[in-house]
Amino acid sequence: SQTIHQWPATLVQPVGSPLSLECTVEGTSNPNLYWYRQAAGRGLQLLFYSVGIGQISSEVPQNLSASRPQDRQFILSSKKLLLSDSGFYLCAWSVPGYSTDTQYFGPGTRLTVL
Amino acid sequence: QKEVEQDPGPLSVPEGAIVSLNCTYSNSAFQYFMWYRQYSRKGPELLMYTYSSGNKEDGRFTAQVDKSSKYISLFIRDSQPSDSATYLCAMSRGSNYKLTFGKGTLLTVNP
Repeated sequence: SQTIHQWPATLVQPVGSPLSLECTVEGTSNPNLYWYRQAAGRGLQLLFYSVGIGQISSEVPQNLSASRPQDRQFILSSKKLLLSDSGFYLCAWSVPGYSTDTQYFGPGTRLTVL
Repeated sequence: QKEVEQDPGPLSVPEGAIVSLNCTYSNSAFQYFMWYRQYSRKGPELLMYTYSSGNKEDGRFTAQVDKSSKYISLFIRDSQPSDSATYLCAMSRGSNYKLTFGKGTLLTVNP
């Protein structure tokens, strides 16, 4: 069976500090991978998605970036955090080529920028 | 007009009640429809998905799709306190990698 991991679970960072969130998926090959941010009252916002190693599509221009150094690893980064980067960050995966695009989510990372 | 509209609630019901959660959408290209359940401070988990108009049952849950009206519903029978969560609808056009989500409905089932 497939499992998705995210870490850290919670993070408190000062404004201007760097960020690195990691997501790994087990039990599947070449998954589509996604980063979302969920802010209170604003629903799920798709930030990045990737259909393969080194292939990243950005949905929202901002000070965040994503990388996929390995098939089942997806990293979300920032060089300098803003207060507005606070939120609940979710990684998700889907089966490539599966028409429904059903996505499966990880446990999330709660980021607070002070 | 937003692509997906979902009443945010909150919705509060007594234990044992039948719950109806709904979403409307404007894009007729949506072909696949999903419901996710999200407990507080957790990631969303997939409850059900369907692609055709009509009903699909899974235990106490029934997903209903009416493509002609662009309307989907999730019914929960014999609701339990453990059903207390935020329910998100999601839909896709199929094979374009992306889901479009509603903002979620917060449900509380009172014992």
